[in-house]
Amino acid sequence: DADVTQTPRNRITKTGKRIMLECSQTKGHDRMYWYRQDPGLGLRLIYYSFDVKDINKGEISDGYSVSRQAQAKFSLSLESAIPNQTALYFCATSGYSGGQEDTQYFGPGTRLTVL
Amino acid sequence: QKEVEQDPGPLSVPEGAIVSLNCTYSNSAFQYFMWYRQYSRKGPELLMYTYSSGNKEDGRFTAQVDKSSKYISLFIRDSQPSDSATYLCAPGGSYIPTFGRGTSLIVHP
Repeated sequence: DADVTQTPRNRITKTGKRIMLECSQTKGHDRMYWYRQDPGLGLRLIYYSFDVKDINKGEISDGYSVSRQAQAKFSLSLESAIPNQTALYFCATSGYSGGQEDTQYFGPGTRLTVL
Repeated sequence: QKEVEQDPGPLSVPEGAIVSLNCTYSNSAFQYFMWYRQYSRKGPELLMYTYSSGNKEDGRFTAQVDKSSKYISLFIRDSQPSDSATYLCAPGGSYIPTFGRGTSLIVHP
């Protein structure tokens, strides 16, 4: 089984709808992240969490919210989706900072289209 | 200026060519350096990790770091069509993860 799973893998929705993307990991890591990837812009950090009680905004958090339900689960919500949130979304997890433990393990991605 | 600059390409080469992928960075706090490979419709995966200046070799792949110039390179020898992917550099050691935009590599038979 994959170390990091994301659901759904693909989603098409309409402007104004609420959307939740879910992420689960079996690595036993404390740190989890949400990124979006757009052509030409690379990976951009939306939110990150270093443990269950820690939530931090990333580079582009406007229009998004997150919930860390457990060490293994980190969900991303779009409260009112808009077309420029159409992108590929990745969840990732990593160990402690300071060396190779920082390796990011990514999920397979969710392709979201907002019409 | 972004902390990490990487040419998005695409870089198209014939099979068997030597490929050079590069990044520059601006933050002297970066202490170690990673390269991730991302195949189409997949998440990135760690390809190589290096801690110090100089070269690190792993099969056909060589990672090179020049901390004095803040320059990171990934060389691929005898490139194969299966190497076609996007390669992202990722300097490490800052509080939150940092990635280059990624370079798209196409190796044609």
